Amino acid sequence: NAGVMQNPRHLVRRRGQEARLRCSPMKGHSHVYWYRQLPEEGLKFMVYLQKENIIDESGMPKERFSAEFPKEGPSILRIQQVVRGDSAAYFCASSPRLLQETQYFGPGTRLLVL
Amino acid sequence: AQTVTQSQPEMSVQEAETVTLSCTYDTSESDYYLFWYKQPPSRQMILVIRQEAYKQQNATENRFSVNFQKAAKSFSLKISDSQLGDAAMYFCAYRSAGGRDDKIIFGKGTRLHILP
Repeated sequence: NAGVMQNPRHLVRRRGQEARLRCSPMKGHSHVYWYRQLPEEGLKFMVYLQKENIIDESGMPKERFSAEFPKEGPSILRIQQVVRGDSAAYFCASSPRLLQETQYFGPGTRLLVL
Repeated sequence: AQTVTQSQPEMSVQEAETVTLSCTYDTSESDYYLFWYKQPPSRQMILVIRQEAYKQQNATENRFSVNFQKAAKSFSLKISDSQLGDAAMYFCAYRSAGGRDDKIIFGKGTRLHILP
């Protein structure tokens, strides 16, 4: 049973470009969460999605960031017009249902903005 | 809003010794979960141990155990017989058990060094 998959593992972008981060949840999991980890910090919640629905985006910056979890395919975190401050590790987690006590984390995508 | 505080940015322990990492949290909720996650240099987040707030008994997982003091809102992690592979960042985390608030709130972490 494969765990949470994230790709790419490392992503380098220049300022102003777009970054697209992908997350495939564990098999049977319909809930996806995105977290961001800045250097030397803990993880901070960004957004919680179910298939085709955004449930909670209270941690998402208002501009340039968007997320989706389509009926088919992985969840996508999209960052438009990246800036140096977007450099961070972005983690995806999944759980099989609402309020499942454990969220299973992927290996993360390290985004570096030059 | 809930908060999680880890007051020890770094700690060191001799191999085979015991170390305790501190964590306090703030919440007005009565039902919640607490976690300790380990993040080794690979940066993968690994669940070490979890505690349900309604359980008085402290959780244990092999060499890892917690001291959960609900009234004091304290949740420390004890690592016994420390091994070189335990060197990592350790994050204390909180999650509500009710309503629709499913996000995990993390502390800033404690970096644990194991001295050979």
